[in-house]
Amino acid sequence: DAGVIQSPRHEVTEMGQEVTLRCKPISGHNSLFWYRQTMMRGLELLIYFNNNVPIDDSGMPEDRFSAKMPNASFSTLKIQPSEPRDSAVYFCASSSGAGALYNEQFFGPGTRLTVL
Amino acid sequence: AQTVTQSQPEMSVQEAETVTLSCTYDTSESNYYLFWYKQPPSRQMILVIRQEAYKQQNATENRFSVNFQKAAKSFSLKISDSQLGDTAMYFCAFMKHDSGNTPLVFGKGTRLSVIA
Repeated sequence: DAGVIQSPRHEVTEMGQEVTLRCKPISGHNSLFWYRQTMMRGLELLIYFNNNVPIDDSGMPEDRFSAKMPNASFSTLKIQPSEPRDSAVYFCASSSGAGALYNEQFFGPGTRLTVL
Repeated sequence: AQTVTQSQPEMSVQEAETVTLSCTYDTSESNYYLFWYKQPPSRQMILVIRQEAYKQQNATENRFSVNFQKAAKSFSLKISDSQLGDTAMYFCAFMKHDSGNTPLVFGKGTRLSVIA
């Protein structure tokens, strides 16, 4: 299996621009998580989905952030408009609810976002 | 809400020696999981070890073992025979047990340097 795939790996943009981060979970996994990592706040949950349905988006900083999961194999995290304080590494993770792999989350390589 | 505290921002250890990383957590949940993740400079999140709260026996994975003290809400990681490849950030994480998959709550991390 290719693991969790995220794109792009690096993104540099200017303040005010729209940014879209993409994630392809491991095939067969039914939960998907978006985390953000910064020096100041560490790793924190933004939003997660079970069976493509958003369950908890309380970690989404503000209305500038939105996330979708139109099907079981794709999710996006969009920031519009972007601000310098959004600069961080964004991780996507997926997990299965079945068998011995229950509750282990597999992380993608992350997207490093820099907003100038 | 759950919180995870790692009180050691940085640690160092000589190659082949043993080091222990500390983690405490706070929760009112009775059924949960605890994890240690490793993040090397590549920033990939790698699961090191997992502990189910209902198991009294401490988990062990090769050179990695934990000391799980449920009453004290303590979950430390011991690395034996430290190797240069163990140099990384280490994150302690908590996950509530639920019928579906639930998010991880992370500590702020401990940066471990293994010195030759």
